[in-house]
Amino acid sequence: DQQVKQNSPSLSVQEGRISILNCDYTNSMFDYFLWYKKYPAEGPTFLISISSIKDKNEDGRFTVFLNKSAKHLSLHIVPSQPGDSAVYFCAATKAGGTSYGKLTFGQGTILTVHP
Amino acid sequence: GAVVSQHPSRVICKSGTSVKIECRSLDFQATTMFWYRQFPKKSLMLMATSNEGSKATYEQGVEKDKFLINHASLTLSTLTVTSAHPEDSSFYICSALVLSSYEQYFGPGTRLTVT
Repeated sequence: DQQVKQNSPSLSVQEGRISILNCDYTNSMFDYFLWYKKYPAEGPTFLISISSIKDKNEDGRFTVFLNKSAKHLSLHIVPSQPGDSAVYFCAATKAGGTSYGKLTFGQGTILTVHP
Repeated sequence: GAVVSQHPSRVICKSGTSVKIECRSLDFQATTMFWYRQFPKKSLMLMATSNEGSKATYEQGVEKDKFLINHASLTLSTLTVTSAHPEDSSFYICSALVLSSYEQYFGPGTRLTVT
């Protein structure tokens, strides 16, 4: 049962353009969402997060949008740079109890930014 | 961001031996750490939650007697793969949860190869 899904295995974008990475979830108990960037043979690097009480969070070139009713979130990177090329994972978690901090990851999307 | 280290980064061992992997939060304290496993071209799979001062909690299907976890201090958790088999070969990643936060920072990972 894949509770967090990234339906696009890969995305190719021209340098300077916008990259939009999408993520859907099925568990309505999730209330905090995170995006990570990962290179092969390395651990994920935290990028940005959003609480379910918000619908947008921005940090530099990265903006995350959350649509709770659609159970959908997206990561926008603008402008995209070749150094952004990596695998991007979205992750979700729910507050409190025994699940505190436990992340459920999507399958990842490989982003390639062409010069 | 916060820094998490793992040691060793790469280890090769023979079948039947045990291997210990260390995870340290370098500039913050973490009462909770997580251990993940990543198979080739797959997402990260949560194995267990490591709690300082108490027993680890394991995800369904993860053998607690095979994957021993010790969270000895607020900055150190260890994962010991006991009686390793070739199918235990994988990329193991730890993460540390920032106190009173949902944000997790990941270590660089450990590549285990069992021959």
